[in-house]
Amino acid sequence: RKEVEQDPGPFNVPEGATVAFNCTYSNSASQSFFWYRQDCRKEPKLLMSVYSSGNEDGRFTAQLNRASQYISLLIRDSKLSDSATYLCVVNKAGGSYIPTFGRGTSLIVHP
Amino acid sequence: DVKVTQSSRYLVKRTGEKVFLECVQDMDHENMFWYRQDPGLGLRLIYFSYDVKMKEKGDIPEGYSVSREKKERFSLILESASTNQTSMYLCASSASGTIEQYFGPGTRLTVT
Repeated sequence: RKEVEQDPGPFNVPEGATVAFNCTYSNSASQSFFWYRQDCRKEPKLLMSVYSSGNEDGRFTAQLNRASQYISLLIRDSKLSDSATYLCVVNKAGGSYIPTFGRGTSLIVHP
Repeated sequence: DVKVTQSSRYLVKRTGEKVFLECVQDMDHENMFWYRQDPGLGLRLIYFSYDVKMKEKGDIPEGYSVSREKKERFSLILESASTNQTSMYLCASSASGTIEQYFGPGTRLTVT
């Protein structure tokens, strides 16, 4: 099983739709979780952290399910500008500061 | 605002050439990383450094070396470039104790 797995997509949704991505991780000792966004031909940029209690930032909600070892990202009221690849990031183990990146999920929001 | 800069956005080199890619960060971060990113393969860690003069191999170190003589600067060296090293190279930095990384804009290297 890969350390971090994501459905590559693409997820093709109309503007205004709600879309959700999941990311599964294999190491139960992982403690740090993030979502990054990467636009075409650009560098990844931090989107949001994922806390045990879940967290929300505007239209974006991130959640962690430790029992099933996955994190999720929900985007409400999708905008054209949300089109990008979303990368899930998990630390390798325990207190390690070395991240493992998923391969990303591609989102295309169309008019 | 964290800033990570890379020496070149685009680079074309010939097979067998020695290639230097430089990365500089201005946030006094302890940790610095080099990745390559290829379609379908995602980000793969080449080398990282958690302190000056310290380096650790990542998942794909073969054919690469690194140098960190100053805290703010981390260099990636391709001793003898090969065509399979054509890729996007991304540098990142993070503060001690966190995996929250900040990336440079990337260098698209083509080896012919």
